Amino acid sequence: DTEVTQTPKHLVMGMTNKKSLKCEQHMGHRAMYWYKQKAKKPPELMFVYSYEKLSINESVPSRFSPECPNSSLLNLHLHALQPEDSALYLCASSLDSPGNTIYFGEGSWLTVV
Amino acid sequence: GEDVEQSLFLSVREGDSSVINCTYTDSSSTYLYWYKQEPGAGLQLLTYIFSNMDMKQDQRLTVLLNKKDKHLSLRIADTQTGDSAIYFCAENTGGFKTIFGAGTRLFVKA
Repeated sequence: DTEVTQTPKHLVMGMTNKKSLKCEQHMGHRAMYWYKQKAKKPPELMFVYSYEKLSINESVPSRFSPECPNSSLLNLHLHALQPEDSALYLCASSLDSPGNTIYFGEGSWLTVV
Repeated sequence: GEDVEQSLFLSVREGDSSVINCTYTDSSSTYLYWYKQEPGAGLQLLTYIFSNMDMKQDQRLTVLLNKKDKHLSLRIADTQTGDSAIYFCAENTGGFKTIFGAGTRLFVKA
């Protein structure tokens, strides 16, 4: 069983809505990640937080806004999304050192209508 | 640059061995991983190998690394229908970015 928990499992939102995806880990990891995965494709890195500070932003549109309230929690705030943003959003975590193994949550399926 | 390539599809019969292959380009890769993704689920870490190792075995799984050819393989012994999934090869050279292959879809016929 994964120790990275994501909620909600499924989310349907309109293009004018504001919603959030949430992620929690209890492995003592200090790096947390957001990935986006389209069908039949590998996951694509969006953001990395290290020690609660944003370390990497892979040129993600501003309609996606990450937040790391503490070392166990990671949020992804969504606003004014487009239908092409529909995808599986995966949260992951790892130890603080770069190069350490990343562990994924089960993902949140997002549909934008 | 970094790139990871794997064949897209593999079909085996239940009870046979499966071998999924992967090639990578970055010679400075430190960690190489295999992840499994079942339909509708996240990525599950199956196993990993450090670049200074040649082989790693974990129950039904055997990972072989040929560093000279930059070739990684995952062998699943006695393949079961529950092994049907997408298998991602991935590499990390020491930063926060893990590079994933396109994934190999394993289909196990009963």
